[in-house]
Amino acid sequence: QLQLQESGPGLVKPSETLSLTCTVSGGSISGSSDYWGWIRQPPGKGLEWIANIGYSGSTYYNPSLMSRVTISVDTSKNQFSLRLTSVTAADTALYYCARLHSGSSGFDYWGQGTLVTVSS
Amino acid sequence: QSALTQPPSASGSPGQSVTISCTGTSSDVGGYNYVSWYQQHPGKAPKLMIYEVSKRPSGVPDRFSGSKSGNTASLTVSGLQAEDEADYYCSSYAGSNNFVFGTGTKVTVL
Repeated sequence: QLQLQESGPGLVKPSETLSLTCTVSGGSISGSSDYWGWIRQPPGKGLEWIANIGYSGSTYYNPSLMSRVTISVDTSKNQFSLRLTSVTAADTALYYCARLHSGSSGFDYWGQGTLVTVSS
Repeated sequence: QSALTQPPSASGSPGQSVTISCTGTSSDVGGYNYVSWYQQHPGKAPKLMIYEVSKRPSGVPDRFSGSKSGNTASLTVSGLQAEDEADYYCSSYAGSNNFVFGTGTKVTVL
């Protein structure tokens, strides 16, 4: 059974960089047509897609966040990561990592989510 | 890209059916057969219920069904059960390897 687990600081100061890692277990992040992504949900609000990455390193970003976001993959550790620069209070959210099956068929496995609060 | 439009709420009595709409544009919902639906209970991660407009992942009851007409996709929950009370989100491929989610619908079982 594939499992995903987010990790990273729960508190980030305004203007600093948010960094999160997703560790995948029960399956390999490499060598498949699946993509891996980040989705966030501000408290009490809806879901927002942030970015996807393939095991080969191909990356895709939400145009509204593209200037501040970097997604990367470390196949040796079976992990992928998210960096979001110049954060503000508007970036406070529950951040989920997930698998995008076959590149477009839906996010079928999700982590439990990690709350990141932007505050001084 | 703008969020797909869903009604804020929907409700039905146990055993009844409820249908949730998800309206986009020809650049997302209308342009691709890659609409998915997610169920989210309070404090839990979203769960994939429908993918590629109308396909159900293994383990999802056949009470859940999806369809699409033009720029609007729909999720129907038949034979409503108490456990179906949750938030539901649609999502669509929006071209250039981008994705967009809907605004979300809270389903209440009366």
